[in-house]
Amino acid sequence: QSALTQPPSASGSPGQSVTISCTGSSTDVGTYNYVSWYQQHPGKAPKLMISEVSKRPSGVPDRFSGSKSGNTASLTVSGLQAEDEADYYCSSFAGTNILFGGGTKLTVL
Amino acid sequence: QVQLQESGPGLVKPSQTLSLTCTVSGGSISSGGYFWSWIRQHPGKGLEWIGYIYFSGTAYYTPSLKSRVTISVDTSKNQFSLRLSSVTAADTAVYHCARGGGVGAHDFWGQGTLVTVSS
Repeated sequence: QSALTQPPSASGSPGQSVTISCTGSSTDVGTYNYVSWYQQHPGKAPKLMISEVSKRPSGVPDRFSGSKSGNTASLTVSGLQAEDEADYYCSSFAGTNILFGGGTKLTVL
Repeated sequence: QVQLQESGPGLVKPSQTLSLTCTVSGGSISSGGYFWSWIRQHPGKGLEWIGYIYFSGTAYYTPSLKSRVTISVDTSKNQFSLRLSSVTAADTAVYHCARGGGVGAHDFWGQGTLVTVSS
């Protein structure tokens, strides 16, 4: 199975909204509502931001939201803040396998 | 609060076996509903799932590494381990251990440990 496809970069100004896409296939993203999103700051461990397409773990700001349409999942960050600048990775559970996207570097201008 | 900590050699010679252990604290590795993963990140690159194991010992591996990977669990020590054989420079990466939930989301991660393959 191939990795999920994400744009390498995204950007926005403080206060704006940015959406990052994650494209898979009918055998992973398209079939399972088990898409999760991770935020990773340099030198740090990834942090779970979204699970099951759109569920936010406790402590994650509601500025972060997730959705899915067909084989593509999306992460939207609203009201961008400086601390949102990080790498973002999507992941999909596909049967017994786990796939990750290549990551998107989000820059807050 | 569950915490995970990776340990093992930071330098491995080519063709040898990479061995890492993840120690879990703040929770039992035998708790139902979770699996325990190894995930690596090549320098400056994205995340790559290696495999995961349930406390029962059932393990699943990514197809590209399946022939070289073994993940095991020691519930008495609340640890799980990774062995990757016949390593090359391409296996140089930061190796993370993480806890996964039933829907595949990894909610707790170790800080990661850099393993360099070099003679």
